[in-house]
Amino acid sequence: AQTVTQSQPEMSVQEAETVTLSCTYDTSENNYYLFWYKQPPSRQMILVIRQEAYKQQNATENRFSVNFQKAAKSFSLKISDSQLGDTAMYFCAYRFGNEKLTFGTGTRLTIIP
Amino acid sequence: AAGVIQSPRHLIKEKRETATLKCYPIPRHDTVYWYQQGPGQDPQFLISFYEKMQSDKGSIPDRFSAQQFSDYHSELNMSSLELGDSALYFCASSLRGTGGDQPQHFGDGTRLSIL
Repeated sequence: AQTVTQSQPEMSVQEAETVTLSCTYDTSENNYYLFWYKQPPSRQMILVIRQEAYKQQNATENRFSVNFQKAAKSFSLKISDSQLGDTAMYFCAYRFGNEKLTFGTGTRLTIIP
Repeated sequence: AAGVIQSPRHLIKEKRETATLKCYPIPRHDTVYWYQQGPGQDPQFLISFYEKMQSDKGSIPDRFSAQQFSDYHSELNMSSLELGDSALYFCASSLRGTGGDQPQHFGDGTRLSIL
């Protein structure tokens, strides 16, 4: 069974700094998808970024980028120039094919003014 | 752009009552997923449907049932409610893509409170 591990329950950084959230996963599949979802206090689940395992190039979306290390089964999220609106719970998630998302336990990120 | 619509947004029930949660996927999306998120927890997969047929089943209690209708909306029926069923219930929809390249889009969730 696939598992997703986020080892940082909480993190905090000063506004405008850069922060990296860690995620590791376990799978026997070769082609799959990895995601980072953001859940602000409103409890919405917002897709931040996704990575296709067969693509070596790391995905980027504006201030958000990932460091995907397939051999190490690592998928970290880097947030540059952090903003107060980035304060949220961040979930790393794995998906094989059209199957369900398997989530990690989340990292609560607080941006300090 | 149209998003996933869930109703109701909030629902308060008492133990042993029943509840029905509804989900209206993004137009043309053919797959619906249900997740349950308990307080301070990550979302857990319950069940999914593709083209009105159940496609996968997770940790869904036998007291719960769900279906997808001809217009692709889905309903999660919950009976004999227990205090532990208090949670945020998400519906997500996607367009079934080749190899799963279409992301799941989440609704705002239904917050169910059991008194």
